[in-house]
Amino acid sequence: DTAVSQTPKYLVTQMGNDKSIKCEQNLGHDTMYWYKQDSKKFLKIMFSYNNKELIINETVPNRFSPKSPDKAHLNLHINSLELGDSAVYFCASSQEVSPNQPQHFGDGTRLSIL
Amino acid sequence: DAKTTQPPSMDCAEGRAANLPCNHSTISGNEYVYWYRQIHSQGPQYIIHGLKNNETNEMASLIITEDRKSSTLILPHATLRDTAVYYCIVQSGGSNYKLTFGKGTLLPVNP
Repeated sequence: DTAVSQTPKYLVTQMGNDKSIKCEQNLGHDTMYWYKQDSKKFLKIMFSYNNKELIINETVPNRFSPKSPDKAHLNLHINSLELGDSAVYFCASSQEVSPNQPQHFGDGTRLSIL
Repeated sequence: DAKTTQPPSMDCAEGRAANLPCNHSTISGNEYVYWYRQIHSQGPQYIIHGLKNNETNEMASLIITEDRKSSTLILPHATLRDTAVYYCIVQSGGSNYKLTFGKGTLLPVNP
């Protein structure tokens, strides 16, 4: 059983389109995250939700809108895709918002903008 | 958040122990030291974490110095599957416990 699963694994689309990436965790965790890894391989936090409430929003453009329908899901919708959005997006989850709780990551969604 | 400093790369032979150092001289008393790794084309994988005491699990051991200013991740018998980028991260409560990844240490395990 995959603990943190993301779909799709690969996403190739044109500039200006709108797309969504889905994330589900079956670990029973309360907190979920989205990270972006750019071409230089730096991993940066984008958003974090705890019990469906937004707790971290790291100066991400308004074109990115996370949605958490329940504790087990955190989806990422991106409007008007730009070339600079090409990256690998990782979803993660942790038991709760605590420094003593590790985060568990999915295998990423590779987004390519043409 | 406290910053960490790691060597950009290290060498390791299969079957040998890999000792990966990390400097975190500005760490605060309530900040944990975390180690993650990223194998090519996969998501980051949690390895181990600690506050003050040394820790060991099925994957690795974490040695934290008494002054907490540095730590070492030990993979006791490295295998080819341990080839990855290893990240040492100090997690701060003041930032809602987000992980701030640096450049990490590239560890190729050679046959």
